[in-house]
Amino acid sequence: DGGITQSPKYLFRKEGQNVTLSCEQNLNHDAMYWYRQDPGQGLRLIYYSQIVNDFQKGDIAEGYSVSREKKESFPLTVTSAQKNPTAFYLCASSISRDAPTEAFFGQGTRLTVV
Amino acid sequence: AQTVTQSQPEMSVQEAETVTLSCTYDTSESNYYLFWYKQPPSRQMILVIRQEAYKQQNATENRFSVNFQKAAKSFSLKISDSQLGDTAMYFCAFMKQGSEKLVFGKGTKLTVNP
Repeated sequence: DGGITQSPKYLFRKEGQNVTLSCEQNLNHDAMYWYRQDPGQGLRLIYYSQIVNDFQKGDIAEGYSVSREKKESFPLTVTSAQKNPTAFYLCASSISRDAPTEAFFGQGTRLTVV
Repeated sequence: AQTVTQSQPEMSVQEAETVTLSCTYDTSESNYYLFWYKQPPSRQMILVIRQEAYKQQNATENRFSVNFQKAAKSFSLKISDSQLGDTAMYFCAFMKQGSEKLVFGKGTKLTVNP
């Protein structure tokens, strides 16, 4: 079945550690996105990528990094510079920027700093 | 910058009744897209309905319909014959044409009571 797979579902991080959240899609979509969801805040865009080897900062990119070495993969690294990383992270994809049909979302990763 | 406002943090409705969720947005763009997404307790984001701003006709998907008032910058969602499975967070979202960013409201938590 086509879709977006995020892993792990739950992730715990110690203070000062970097962690990487995985996002894989088999929809052959060009565009991929990372959103952060906090209670009462809706979804906020962290990074997005329209094409392999290219990505752009969203509204809250500080403390995060991404890569797009393959079309189907868009991993997000939460670095130690992110001061408040505890949140729910959602990955999404869409066909392309020029065809803004719906964005398809993964099931999310819940990150907790311990 | 575009903003999306959902003024109802929580709502409840009796099964089989009709409920309307409000959404307003602020933009100077003339070409854009509006979306309603549903996030059930599983936290999987699902597209409910989409509206292109250039279309005057309101979008409809089975029990879900919108009231799109472009001049008023209003985009409400009506759910008819509410079902228990409609219990979820509902997010209104905006995307300007040619953009790569979905801008989300903070969400409305809808509870359908038996």
